[in-house]
Amino acid sequence: ETGVTQTPRHLVMGMTNKKSLKCEQHLGHNAMYWYKQSAKKPLELMFVYNFKEQTENNSVPSRFSPECPNSSHLFLHLHTLQPEDSALYLCASSMGQGTYEQYFGPGTRLTVT
Amino acid sequence: GNSVTQMEGPVTLSEEAFLTINCTYTATGYPSLFWYVQYPGEGLQLLLKATKADDKGSNKGFEATYRKETTSFHLEKGSVQVSDSAVYFCALNTGTYKYIFGTGTRLKVLA
Repeated sequence: ETGVTQTPRHLVMGMTNKKSLKCEQHLGHNAMYWYKQSAKKPLELMFVYNFKEQTENNSVPSRFSPECPNSSHLFLHLHTLQPEDSALYLCASSMGQGTYEQYFGPGTRLTVT
Repeated sequence: GNSVTQMEGPVTLSEEAFLTINCTYTATGYPSLFWYVQYPGEGLQLLLKATKADDKGSNKGFEATYRKETTSFHLEKGSVQVSDSAVYFCALNTGTYKYIFGTGTRLKVLA
Protein backbone atom coordinates (compact mmCIF):
# COMPACT_ATOMS: atom_id res chain seq x y z
CA GLU A 1 0.00 0.00 0.00
CA THR A 2 1.16 3.48 -0.73
CA GLY A 3 0.03 6.91 0.37
CA VAL A 4 -2.71 7.28 2.95
CA THR A 5 -5.26 4.52 3.46
CA GLN A 6 -8.50 4.62 5.42
CA THR A 7 -10.82 1.87 6.60
CA PRO A 8 -13.66 1.30 6.41
CA ARG A 9 -14.66 3.25 3.30
CA HIS A 10 -18.33 3.24 4.30
CA LEU A 11 -19.91 2.93 7.72
CA VAL A 12 -23.52 3.00 8.87
CA MET A 13 -24.06 3.12 12.60
CA GLY A 14 -26.87 3.74 15.04
CA MET A 15 -26.70 6.50 17.61
CA THR A 16 -25.92 4.05 20.41
CA ASN A 17 -23.13 2.17 18.61
CA LYS A 18 -19.40 2.43 19.13
CA LYS A 19 -17.14 2.18 16.12
CA SER A 20 -13.65 3.23 15.06
CA LEU A 21 -12.16 4.68 11.92
CA LYS A 22 -8.60 3.77 11.00
CA CYS A 23 -6.01 5.70 9.02
CA GLU A 24 -2.52 4.60 8.02
CA GLN A 25 0.13 6.57 6.16
CA HIS A 26 3.05 4.97 4.34
CA LEU A 27 4.88 8.23 3.57
CA GLY A 28 7.12 8.64 6.60
CA HIS A 29 5.31 11.81 7.62
CA ASN A 30 5.32 13.27 11.12
CA ALA A 31 1.90 14.91 11.29
CA MET A 32 -1.55 13.35 10.90
CA TYR A 33 -4.95 15.01 10.76
CA TRP A 34 -8.67 14.24 10.95
CA TYR A 35 -11.08 16.40 8.94
CA LYS A 36 -14.85 16.37 8.61
CA GLN A 37 -16.26 17.15 5.16
CA SER A 38 -19.93 18.07 4.93
CA ALA A 39 -21.81 19.32 1.88
CA LYS A 40 -21.59 23.07 1.25
CA LYS A 41 -19.21 23.64 4.19
CA PRO A 42 -15.47 24.20 4.29
CA LEU A 43 -13.34 21.31 5.40
CA GLU A 44 -13.42 21.24 9.21
CA LEU A 45 -10.18 20.40 10.97
CA MET A 46 -10.90 18.15 13.94
CA PHE A 47 -7.58 16.94 15.35
CA VAL A 48 -3.87 17.18 14.59
CA TYR A 49 -1.09 14.96 15.86
CA ASN A 50 2.61 15.68 15.44
CA PHE A 51 5.01 12.89 16.40
CA LYS A 52 2.11 11.17 18.21
CA GLU A 53 1.35 14.25 20.34
CA GLN A 54 -1.95 16.03 19.88
CA THR A 55 -1.34 19.63 18.84
CA GLU A 56 -4.85 20.72 17.85
CA ASN A 57 -8.31 19.89 19.09
CA ASN A 58 -10.72 22.12 17.27
CA SER A 59 -13.48 22.16 19.90
CA VAL A 60 -14.65 18.74 18.79
CA PRO A 61 -17.43 17.10 20.87
CA SER A 62 -16.23 14.37 23.22
CA ARG A 63 -18.21 11.72 21.32
CA PHE A 64 -15.23 11.81 18.92
CA SER A 65 -12.07 10.46 20.51
CA PRO A 66 -8.78 10.33 18.58
CA GLU A 67 -5.88 7.99 19.17
CA CYS A 68 -2.41 8.10 17.63
CA PRO A 69 -0.29 5.14 18.77
CA ASN A 70 2.57 6.01 16.41
CA SER A 71 3.38 8.40 13.57
CA SER A 72 1.93 6.05 10.95
CA HIS A 73 -1.45 5.25 12.48
CA LEU A 74 -4.39 7.36 13.51
CA PHE A 75 -7.77 6.27 14.83
CA LEU A 76 -11.04 8.08 15.43
CA HIS A 77 -13.24 6.37 18.01
CA LEU A 78 -16.94 7.15 17.70
CA HIS A 79 -19.69 6.72 20.30
CA THR A 80 -23.24 7.99 20.80
CA LEU A 81 -23.12 10.01 17.59
CA GLN A 82 -25.87 12.26 16.28
CA PRO A 83 -27.41 12.26 12.78
CA GLU A 84 -25.67 15.59 12.08
CA ASP A 85 -22.34 13.76 12.43
CA SER A 86 -23.03 12.02 9.12
CA ALA A 87 -20.28 13.19 6.76
CA LEU A 88 -17.13 12.16 4.95
CA TYR A 89 -14.23 11.84 7.39
CA LEU A 90 -10.87 12.45 5.81
CA CYS A 91 -7.47 11.59 7.20
CA ALA A 92 -4.36 13.43 6.01
CA SER A 93 -0.66 13.51 6.73
CA SER A 94 2.19 15.92 6.09
CA MET A 95 5.94 16.09 6.58
CA GLY A 96 5.56 19.29 8.57
CA GLN A 97 3.60 22.54 8.65
CA GLY A 98 3.59 25.76 6.69
CA THR A 99 4.92 25.15 3.20
CA TYR A 100 4.32 21.39 3.31
CA GLU A 101 1.35 20.01 1.45
CA GLN A 102 -1.02 17.49 2.94
CA TYR A 103 -1.70 14.02 1.54
CA PHE A 104 -5.25 12.79 1.97
CA GLY A 105 -6.81 9.37 2.21
CA PRO A 106 -10.00 8.49 0.31
CA GLY A 107 -12.19 9.07 3.34
CA THR A 108 -14.79 7.14 5.31
CA ARG A 109 -18.40 7.94 4.41
CA LEU A 110 -20.24 7.81 7.77
CA THR A 111 -24.01 7.65 8.08
CA VAL A 112 -25.57 7.88 11.54
CA THR A 113 -29.12 6.53 11.71
CA GLY B 1 -8.83 35.38 11.56
CA ASN B 2 -7.44 33.59 8.53
CA SER B 3 -9.89 32.67 5.79
CA VAL B 4 -10.21 31.62 2.16
CA THR B 5 -13.01 32.68 -0.17
CA GLN B 6 -13.74 30.82 -3.39
CA MET B 7 -16.24 31.54 -6.12
CA GLU B 8 -19.48 29.62 -5.81
CA GLY B 9 -20.05 26.82 -8.25
CA PRO B 10 -20.87 24.89 -10.14
CA VAL B 11 -18.79 26.15 -13.03
CA THR B 12 -19.92 24.52 -16.27
CA LEU B 13 -17.68 24.72 -19.34
CA SER B 14 -17.39 23.09 -22.73
CA GLU B 15 -14.31 21.02 -23.50
CA GLU B 16 -11.29 23.16 -24.54
CA ALA B 17 -12.70 26.27 -22.86
CA PHE B 18 -10.56 28.52 -20.65
CA LEU B 19 -10.97 28.04 -16.92
CA THR B 20 -10.62 30.53 -14.09
CA ILE B 21 -11.58 29.73 -10.51
CA ASN B 22 -11.18 32.72 -8.21
CA CYS B 23 -9.63 32.45 -4.75
CA THR B 24 -8.93 35.29 -2.33
CA TYR B 25 -7.58 35.03 1.17
CA THR B 26 -7.25 36.88 4.45
CA ALA B 27 -4.22 36.00 6.54
CA THR B 28 -1.67 37.41 8.90
CA GLY B 29 1.93 37.17 7.80
CA TYR B 30 2.97 35.38 4.64
CA PRO B 31 0.90 32.27 4.07
CA SER B 32 1.65 29.38 1.75
CA LEU B 33 -1.15 28.83 -0.76
CA PHE B 34 -2.43 25.58 -2.22
CA TRP B 35 -4.92 24.25 -4.74
CA TYR B 36 -6.30 20.77 -4.18
CA VAL B 37 -8.60 18.73 -6.41
CA GLN B 38 -11.12 16.11 -5.31
CA TYR B 39 -12.47 13.60 -7.84
CA PRO B 40 -15.70 11.72 -7.04
CA GLY B 41 -15.26 9.10 -4.34
CA GLU B 42 -11.71 10.18 -3.53
CA GLY B 43 -9.83 12.33 -1.05
CA LEU B 44 -8.18 15.62 -1.89
CA GLN B 45 -4.92 15.63 -3.82
CA LEU B 46 -2.50 18.49 -4.23
CA LEU B 47 -2.72 20.19 -7.60
CA LEU B 48 -0.17 22.98 -7.09
CA LYS B 49 1.22 25.33 -4.47
CA ALA B 50 3.09 28.61 -4.03
CA THR B 51 4.97 29.59 -0.91
CA LYS B 52 5.87 33.25 -1.48
CA ALA B 53 4.61 36.32 -3.28
CA ASP B 54 4.83 36.27 -7.10
CA ASP B 55 5.52 32.52 -7.15
CA LYS B 56 3.64 30.63 -9.84
CA GLY B 57 2.56 27.08 -9.14
CA SER B 58 1.80 24.83 -12.09
CA ASN B 59 0.84 21.22 -12.74
CA LYS B 60 -1.05 19.29 -15.46
CA GLY B 61 -1.74 22.51 -17.39
CA PHE B 62 -3.14 24.32 -14.34
CA GLU B 63 -1.47 27.50 -13.05
CA ALA B 64 -1.94 29.93 -10.19
CA THR B 65 0.12 32.96 -9.20
CA TYR B 66 0.50 34.18 -5.62
CA ARG B 67 -0.58 37.84 -5.72
CA LYS B 68 0.06 39.49 -2.38
CA GLU B 69 -1.14 42.92 -3.49
CA THR B 70 -4.61 41.55 -4.28
CA THR B 71 -4.46 38.64 -1.76
CA SER B 72 -5.45 36.26 -4.53
CA PHE B 73 -4.44 32.86 -5.92
CA HIS B 74 -6.72 32.29 -8.91
CA LEU B 75 -6.58 28.92 -10.67
CA GLU B 76 -6.39 28.90 -14.48
CA LYS B 77 -6.19 26.36 -17.26
CA GLY B 78 -6.08 27.19 -20.94
CA SER B 79 -8.07 24.23 -22.27
CA VAL B 80 -10.15 22.04 -19.97
CA GLN B 81 -10.99 18.39 -20.58
CA VAL B 82 -13.92 16.28 -19.43
CA SER B 83 -11.50 14.51 -17.09
CA ASP B 84 -10.94 17.82 -15.22
CA SER B 85 -14.48 17.61 -13.83
CA ALA B 86 -14.01 17.62 -10.05
CA VAL B 87 -14.20 19.88 -7.00
CA TYR B 88 -11.33 22.33 -6.55
CA PHE B 89 -10.27 23.66 -3.13
CA CYS B 90 -8.09 26.65 -2.39
CA ALA B 91 -6.22 26.52 0.94
CA LEU B 92 -3.65 28.40 2.97
CA ASN B 93 -1.26 27.82 5.82
CA THR B 94 0.46 30.48 7.94
CA GLY B 95 3.06 28.23 9.53
CA THR B 96 0.99 26.20 11.97
CA TYR B 97 -0.71 22.84 11.63
CA LYS B 98 -4.00 24.59 10.80
CA TYR B 99 -4.63 24.50 7.07
CA ILE B 100 -7.58 26.72 6.11
CA PHE B 101 -9.70 25.55 3.18
CA GLY B 102 -12.30 27.27 1.03
CA THR B 103 -15.72 25.73 0.46
CA GLY B 104 -14.69 24.22 -2.87
CA THR B 105 -15.80 24.96 -6.45
CA ARG B 106 -17.37 22.20 -8.51
CA LEU B 107 -16.28 22.15 -12.16
CA LYS B 108 -18.30 20.33 -14.81
CA VAL B 109 -16.79 20.01 -18.28
CA LEU B 110 -19.12 18.96 -21.07
CA ALA B 111 -17.97 17.08 -24.17
